Amino acid sequence: DSGVTQTPKHLITATGQRVTLRCSPRSGDLSVYWYQQSLDQGLQFLIHYYNGEERAKGNILERFSAQQFPDLHSELNLSSLELGDSALYFCASSVGAVDTEAFFGQGTRLTVV
Amino acid sequence: QQQVKQSPQSLIVQKGGISIINCAYENTAFDYFPWYQQFPGKGPALLIAIRPDVSEKKEGRFTISFNKSAKQFSLHIMDSQPGDSATYFCAATSGSNDYKLSFGAGTTVTVRA
Repeated sequence: DSGVTQTPKHLITATGQRVTLRCSPRSGDLSVYWYQQSLDQGLQFLIHYYNGEERAKGNILERFSAQQFPDLHSELNLSSLELGDSALYFCASSVGAVDTEAFFGQGTRLTVV
Repeated sequence: QQQVKQSPQSLIVQKGGISIINCAYENTAFDYFPWYQQFPGKGPALLIAIRPDVSEKKEGRFTISFNKSAKQFSLHIMDSQPGDSATYFCAATSGSNDYKLSFGAGTTVTVRA
């Protein structure tokens, strides 16, 4: 167990809908990273928050947004969902602002039908 | 565009054999090269990592070899065990890239008893 908690574990929703994925980082970790893992794209970095502020953006679609709250948990919001958004979404956390020692959660499997 | 190219896509090795996974990169700014191990239904877990100032790093049965001039690095799993059956990802990052990880496509290793 990495100490990073993601909910829900599985999510099935229809195209056009909006979902929220939640991540609780390890105790003491200030950074949260979101990654998308799909069969054709592999693991892709989406976004990084450090102590409530956005630090870096990767290949995150405009339909996706994220935030990190004062208690350091983070939410990834996915809207206007398309079939191609079906993937595993991982959250990782680290103590500092660099993710070299990041710990990953077990992921949320999103299926868009 | 995959910044880190990983091969092979999959490999099968007999128990006690050596598994070798290769990765190549183009971005000379990369200065940290971790390997992650992922079991089905779990998030990636940091296995071993190397910086370009050393050519080899060994931790137990796992060894990273690094060739800076060729911009290549590889993971060797010695005395492979059935419990090593997993997907392995190489990754790379740099301080100038705000340390967001660029992952290879992954290699599924199956160790036959």
